Amino acid sequence: EAGVAQSPRYKIIEKRQSVAFWCNPISGHATLYWYQQILGQGPKLLIQFQNNGVVDDSQLPKDRFSAERLKGVDSTLKIQPAKLEDSAVYLCASSPGTSHLYNEQFFGPGTRLTVL
Amino acid sequence: AQSVTQLGSHVSVSEGALVLLRCNYSSSVPPYLFWYVQYPNQGLQLLLKYTSAATLVKGINGFEAEFKKSETSFHLTKPSAHMSDAAEYFCAVTGGGNKLTFGTGTQLKVEL
Repeated sequence: EAGVAQSPRYKIIEKRQSVAFWCNPISGHATLYWYQQILGQGPKLLIQFQNNGVVDDSQLPKDRFSAERLKGVDSTLKIQPAKLEDSAVYLCASSPGTSHLYNEQFFGPGTRLTVL
Repeated sequence: AQSVTQLGSHVSVSEGALVLLRCNYSSSVPPYLFWYVQYPNQGLQLLLKYTSAATLVKGINGFEAEFKKSETSFHLTKPSAHMSDAAEYFCAVTGGGNKLTFGTGTQLKVEL
């Protein structure tokens, strides 16, 4: 079974530029998550989708970050414009269920963003 | 609300020695608790989870953790460290839903 795929793996941009990350979850997984992991910290949930609807985006900085999940499968996370403090690893995860109870999350390898 | 505290951002052990990584939690509801491992340039992999069944949980790669409600702890142990165990370990909690709250991580170094 293929895992969660993310691209690109690495991205370096100048501040105020735009950047987009792509995630392809495990086939059939209904729920998709984007996390931000700043160096020295644990992952922080940015947004959670169930199918193509947003379940939780309370920690997404909506003035510069946006995310969508096309047709309930792939997802794109965008930052526009980027700031220095956005330098982090962006992790995508997916889980199979739609229940409100816990479903195991499977993580992709992440995209490491460096903002100069 | 839920939170976890990992004591010790860096732990160093000798190969063959006991591994003990500490995690204390805070939760307003009965928690689900997890340990994840992250190898360099890779995503997180689930080691083990506690979901209110047995308090002693066995995971992959010889790791186990014990849920102690009286101490609000969920420490991760392995009897004998191996070089391949060197990685970063994260404790995480949820109140039963799908929103995980992670600790700040513990970097494990294994020395010959």
